[in-house]
Amino acid sequence: QVQLVQSGAEVKKPGASVKVSCKASGYTFTSYYMHWVRQAPGQGLEWMGIINPSGGSTTYAQKFQGRVTMTRDTSTSTVYMELSSLRSEDTAVYYCAREVSSSWTIADYWGQGTLVTVSS
Amino acid sequence: QSALTQPASVSGSPGQSITISCTGTSSDVGGYNYVSWYQQHPGKAPKLMIYDVSNRPSGVSNRFSGSKSGNTASLTISGLQAEDEADYYCCSYTSSSTPVVFGGGTELTVL
Repeated sequence: QVQLVQSGAEVKKPGASVKVSCKASGYTFTSYYMHWVRQAPGQGLEWMGIINPSGGSTTYAQKFQGRVTMTRDTSTSTVYMELSSLRSEDTAVYYCAREVSSSWTIADYWGQGTLVTVSS
Repeated sequence: QSALTQPASVSGSPGQSITISCTGTSSDVGGYNYVSWYQQHPGKAPKLMIYDVSNRPSGVSNRFSGSKSGNTASLTISGLQAEDEADYYCCSYTSSSTPVVFGGGTELTVL
């Protein structure tokens, strides 16, 4: 069965960076793109970007350009999302989600979420 | 890229039908048949309910249906059940530099 297992909660200080992992299993890792979506406390979903695990190409939301880096390790079927220059507004649950289409709007499996807290 | 516009909340009684709207522009909802809907229960990850405007993934109840007219997409839930109480988000492909956008979310209360 398809599973996306994310790394544990993080607490970071403003200005620091955080790297969240998402380990995929139960399917061919390189055959499906992976999204990163975040959700601030009590707020809605916000799309951050997408990575193609096959070649490593990425597309980021304009809001996060220059601050986010998405990478992958095909040997471990893991994708990573690193967000730098953290500020309090980055406090959120970060999700990875598998994309099944070329429209980038059909995410059929989601990770359990990783809470990132940014606080001094 | 601004979020798609959804009502903050809707409510209905068990057995009734409700509709949640999702309004965008010709650059997103109106320009493509790439609208999806996600259900999210508190503390849980989102779940795909509708894709490509009106298609249901395997395992999703046929009480859930989607449609689109112009720049507005809609999610209809018929025969409301207590378990439908959740937040619902629409999502669309866009032609902007940020190719995916979510709606602000709608809280559904089953009275």
